[in-house]
Amino acid sequence: AQSVTQLDSQVPVFEEAPVELRCNYSSSVSVYLFWYVQYPNQGLQLLLKYLSGSTLVKGINGFEAEFNKSQTSFHLRKPSVHISDTAEYFCAGSSGGYQKVTFGIGTKLQVIP
Amino acid sequence: DAGVIQSPRHEVTEMGQEVTLRCKPISGHDYLFWYRQTMMRGLELLIYFNNNVPIDDSGMPEDRFSAKMPNASFSTLKIQPSEPRDSAVYFCASSSGVYTEAFFGQGTRLTVV
Repeated sequence: AQSVTQLDSQVPVFEEAPVELRCNYSSSVSVYLFWYVQYPNQGLQLLLKYLSGSTLVKGINGFEAEFNKSQTSFHLRKPSVHISDTAEYFCAGSSGGYQKVTFGIGTKLQVIP
Repeated sequence: DAGVIQSPRHEVTEMGQEVTLRCKPISGHDYLFWYRQTMMRGLELLIYFNNNVPIDDSGMPEDRFSAKMPNASFSTLKIQPSEPRDSAVYFCASSSGVYTEAFFGQGTRLTVV
């Protein structure tokens, strides 16, 4: 089964600064990767996903992620964060088949004014 | 569509009592997932259904937990008897197919005292 590792439990960053949230996945023949965001007291919402094709994936709210097969990584980036980006971000992956998606432990992004 | 609807939003119960969590997936979605979120373990997949049939229940922690999906528009997660360590936020999610976005409900915060 696919597994994902989020390397940082918390990331503080100043407003308007760039941010990168790191995610590594276990190698597999096929891999499908996702980033979700969870705002306080809310469910998860999809930011972006990689299924195949271009390795640079653009998502909502100005986020993007790059699939790097050689480094088995799928890091999430945003060039300039806003206070409203303060939330918890989850990397998730699937090896296909019956769509069993495994989530990482989550990274709390704290945007500092 | 109103999205995935979970009830109740909050549940406080005494140890030993039966707890039933409810979920209404988005109409037309044929995958339904139950997740549990805790600080210690993050987001765990408990069970998922495809076309009302349980596909993988390997995440169900023990026999005290059971889930049913009697029809395409309703699912329940039952804990009997409940224990304090079951306290968590339980999410239901649904999706329309393989590798498509999973839409999450707002969760049920369960507290067992």
